[in-house]
Amino acid sequence: NAGVMQNPRHLVRRRGQEARLRCSPMKGHSHVYWYRQLPEEGLKFMVYLQKENIIDESGMPKERFSAEFPKEGPSILRIQQVVRGDSAAYFCASSRQEGGYTFGSGTRLTVV
Amino acid sequence: GESVGLHLPTLSVQEGDNSIINCAYSNSASDYFIWYKQESGKGPQFIIDIRSNMDKRQGQRVTVLLNKTVKHLSLQIAATQPGDSAVYFCAESYNQGGKLIFGQGTELSVKP
Repeated sequence: NAGVMQNPRHLVRRRGQEARLRCSPMKGHSHVYWYRQLPEEGLKFMVYLQKENIIDESGMPKERFSAEFPKEGPSILRIQQVVRGDSAAYFCASSRQEGGYTFGSGTRLTVV
Repeated sequence: GESVGLHLPTLSVQEGDNSIINCAYSNSASDYFIWYKQESGKGPQFIIDIRSNMDKRQGQRVTVLLNKTVKHLSLQIAATQPGDSAVYFCAESYNQGGKLIFGQGTELSVKP
């Protein structure tokens, strides 16, 4: 059981580029959650997905951010036209049913 | 708005002493609470959880106390060890599912 796998671990993008963050949930888990963590702050909820469905996206910025969890393959968090304020650690969690989260090690995004 | 906050941003204890980390939550409708430990460069690690129909739950060296009257949550770590040094977050949710609302975190430092 490899746990929740996130890649890349570190990602550097120039302002205006696109960032794609990947999350492979634990085997058998069909619920995926994305969180963002700024330095010295707690994690902020972004989006909750099940296979092919967005359940709750109340924490997603209205523009430039999107997420998907296709029938096959990992969940993707996509940030278009990145700005410096997007620099943060992005964590993915998965669960077999609602609750019982397991978190990945995160992707550290740096926008230069 | 929704918020989960911590009374103490930093806590320094001597190895072998007991540690108590506190958390205040604002939403009386929350019914599931979790404590996470986060080490530098890593994702949150589950420590212990508690449902709102309980006021105490014990694990190995850790105890979580829930006081719904004053909306207060605490984590007690017995015989604190250097390996316990990390940032600790409380989190709350509804119906043990959906999004988690995290507090800002308390940094625990254990002195040998």
